[in-house]
Amino acid sequence: EAGVVQSPRYKIIEKKQPVAFWCNPISGHNTLYWYLQNLGQGPELLIRYENEEAVDDSQLPKDRFSAERLKGVDSTLKIQPAELGDSAVYLCASSGGLADDTQYFGPGTRLTVL
Amino acid sequence: SQKIEQNSEALNIQEGKTATLTCNYTNYSPAYLQWYRQDPGRGPVFLLLIRENEKEKRKERLKVTFDTTLKQSLFHITASQPADSATYLCALNKAAGNKLTFGGGTRVLVKP
Repeated sequence: EAGVVQSPRYKIIEKKQPVAFWCNPISGHNTLYWYLQNLGQGPELLIRYENEEAVDDSQLPKDRFSAERLKGVDSTLKIQPAELGDSAVYLCASSGGLADDTQYFGPGTRLTVL
Repeated sequence: SQKIEQNSEALNIQEGKTATLTCNYTNYSPAYLQWYRQDPGRGPVFLLLIRENEKEKRKERLKVTFDTTLKQSLFHITASQPADSATYLCALNKAAGNKLTFGGGTRVLVKP
């Protein structure tokens, strides 16, 4: 069974440029998460989807970040414009959706903003 | 505000010994506590889940305890091996919804 797929694995951009990350969750998983992880810290939730509905986006900086999950499968996270402080690893995870379900993480996209 | 604390200092341990990691939390009433392993350049991988009404959980060489009175979980790796070297993250989850709140992780280095 394929795991959570993310692309690209690495991205280097200059500040003020836009950037997008893509995630393909495990087949059949209705719940999809985007997390941000800074160096030496644990992941922090940005947004959670149940199918195509964003059910928790309280931590998403909506002035520059946006996300979508069309058709309730793949998801895209976008930053426009990127700032220096956005340099981090962006992790996507998926789960079956129950409260005690295991979350399966992708390898992440390491973003460097110059 | 909610706070989850893990020892930020790396834990260096000799192969064969037991590694014990601590996860403390405040201003939180989790229904579930999970432990994940993260290797450099990779996403976290689930290891164990323990519920608020459970005191202890085991899986192979791993053992987790959960004390809701002390607001603490202990994670033990027995007979540690160099392959156990990684960062270990604890994460809490409330009963309503399944948002995971992570601690900062503790790096473990097992020396042969």
